[in-house]
Amino acid sequence: EVLLVESGGALVQPGGSLRLSCTASGFTFSSYDMHWVRQATGKGLEWVSTINTPGDSYYAGSVKGRFTISRENGNNSLYLQMNRLTPGDTAVYYCSRRKWGSRALDQWGPGTLVTVSS
Amino acid sequence: DTQMTQSPSSLSASVGDRVTITCQASQDISNYLNWYQQKPGKAPKLLIYDASNLETGVPSRFSGSGSGTDFTFTISSLQPEDFATYYCQEYENLPPFFGGGTKVELK
Repeated sequence: EVLLVESGGALVQPGGSLRLSCTASGFTFSSYDMHWVRQATGKGLEWVSTINTPGDSYYAGSVKGRFTISRENGNNSLYLQMNRLTPGDTAVYYCSRRKWGSRALDQWGPGTLVTVSS
Repeated sequence: DTQMTQSPSSLSASVGDRVTITCQASQDISNYLNWYQQKPGKAPKLLIYDASNLETGVPSRFSGSGSGTDFTFTISSLQPEDFATYYCQEYENLPPFFGGGTKVELK
């Protein structure tokens, strides 16, 4: 069974940092592009970042220069280092997998909540 | 960047109704259009990929069509478990954009 499980969400003050993790199981993690997608309470889905299999990374304009995506294939883990957090970053953060042979996101974790507030 | 216009933003329907949601892309995205279902407090679930392909395990009452800029998602006969929010997503290139969502509510 394919599983993605995020962790690391917390309450953090504006300007602070946080590192999210996503642990994958049930598939060959190193063979898949991975994404972070976020959702503010009551709002829609917003793509945050992608890392492909060679390790190239891509970011939404709203987080570029503040967030860093990375992966450790040996640990089947995806990470999102978030710096200089603002209240606008408050959201549930999902990790997701790009479907093999497609560009859809076919597997999602349950999400982890990040709250940025003083 | 491609913008996605999804409509309606909400609709009320009864069990057994046929439901249609549309998404329009600001430029030609070929068939790089996906549809997701999200229930409150849960992660999105992929239903339709590449405009018209049914994801494994998804009931056949769900379908998608379209290419280029205009896409349609249909539930042929709405079931009680289908009350949820549905999102389209284009993914011709990064960044992939999601539509604003359509909340399907009980009439």
